[in-house]
Amino acid sequence: EPEVTQTPSHQVTQMGQEVILRCVPISNHLYFYWYRQILGQKVEFLVSFYNNEISEKSEIFDDQFSVERPDGSNFTLKIRSTKLEDSAMYFCASSEEGSSNYGYTFGSGTRLTVV
Amino acid sequence: GQSLEQPSEVTAVEGAIVQINCTYQTSGFYGLSWYQQHDGGAPTFLSYNALDGLEETGRFSSFLSRSDSYGYLLLQELQMKDSASYFCAVRDRDYGQNFVFGPGTRLSVLP
Repeated sequence: EPEVTQTPSHQVTQMGQEVILRCVPISNHLYFYWYRQILGQKVEFLVSFYNNEISEKSEIFDDQFSVERPDGSNFTLKIRSTKLEDSAMYFCASSEEGSSNYGYTFGSGTRLTVV
Repeated sequence: GQSLEQPSEVTAVEGAIVQINCTYQTSGFYGLSWYQQHDGGAPTFLSYNALDGLEETGRFSSFLSRSDSYGYLLLQELQMKDSASYFCAVRDRDYGQNFVFGPGTRLSVLP
């Protein structure tokens, strides 16, 4: 079964450093997303991406965040200058189309720890 | 803005039936989805309801009442492996039709 792949599975970084989280969405999917989940809390929407541009972003996705699809397969989330409160599990997801009959396919996540 | 409410915890025994409720407030509702998440795992899509009524997929069913801003996930013939967190998620116009997740319900299935 096709899956969304995320790397690394764990990332520890010092406050103020830049991190790049990587995702390979399912190959025939056109819509890509980043969500995050602080330990024990709900899954929060960060950003959606379609046709090589951001289609929607939440208030969490401020100027410290950026996304990119550098080639035909990868989808990255960059945090420019990490803060302690950025520590969370970051999930990438993709969907075949904008409608939701089949939901999003989530990757296994990257656990980011900012120290 | 959006607001979703779910019970924080539910406990049931193997073989039983459990219903997890979700109430929501949103200005631009399109549909309600349910996701399952095991500890340390990724959310896994279970169902999506855009119209009122009951959708059945195997042991799991999902219900939506748009007029009541209410839905539920029904799990039948509970198995130990169903122990997980269950999130309702609203597809919301204010988020470009992307999903906004509820706080989650932790289901514990006891032998």
